Amino acid sequence: GENVEQHPSTLSVQEGDSAVIKCTYSDSASNYFPWYKQELGKGPQLIIDIRSNVGEKKDQRIAVTLNKTAKHFSLHITETQPEDSAVYFCAASSPSSNTGKLIFGQGTTLQVKP
Amino acid sequence: EAQVTQNPRYLITVTGKKLTVTCSQNMNHEYMSWYRQDPGLGLRQIYYSMNVEVTDKGDVPEGYKVSRKEKRNFPLILESPSPNQTSLYFCASSLGQKTYEQYFGPGTRLTVT
Repeated sequence: GENVEQHPSTLSVQEGDSAVIKCTYSDSASNYFPWYKQELGKGPQLIIDIRSNVGEKKDQRIAVTLNKTAKHFSLHITETQPEDSAVYFCAASSPSSNTGKLIFGQGTTLQVKP
Repeated sequence: EAQVTQNPRYLITVTGKKLTVTCSQNMNHEYMSWYRQDPGLGLRQIYYSMNVEVTDKGDVPEGYKVSRKEKRNFPLILESPSPNQTSLYFCASSLGQKTYEQYFGPGTRLTVT
């Protein structure tokens, strides 16, 4: 069935370093790839997304890249800060299911050490 | 402020005691969805609704019911909760089925003993 794999499950970086989280998806029809940040005690919040007609999108310190051929996409955070510490989820749309749903990865816990 | 609200935020209950978790959005969104979040499994869809009176099962619907009588509300009902339904639950909404961009509520942590 449709699946999204996310790696790593935990990531610890020093403040100022870069962090990269990677996801692969199985549904070749997927055309929308959002990234969510979930802070402790809160719901996931959309931080950046990309559609299949572009290969890269950037918003200040965060960027997402998409390789449709290989069916993988990545989140890049540069100059990390302690407030970047959170759980990050990738997701992929599931057009084949015709249900409007997103398939989520397992999540990555990012810790930024001051 | 555009938002999705859920109530209650925390709930401890016993096996078999019916409960309802409410969800409401003020963005006039057509599509609403319930997810459960469990460690190592990410977010899994329980039920979704494409519009008023239109609901359907997601990936893990067993033991849950939903209703969509009004556009803004999408309650999740556990008729006879069991311990394996202990989880963190999120309601989400989006403009429409094809829009995909989903907005999440703050979550409801449910413990069933």
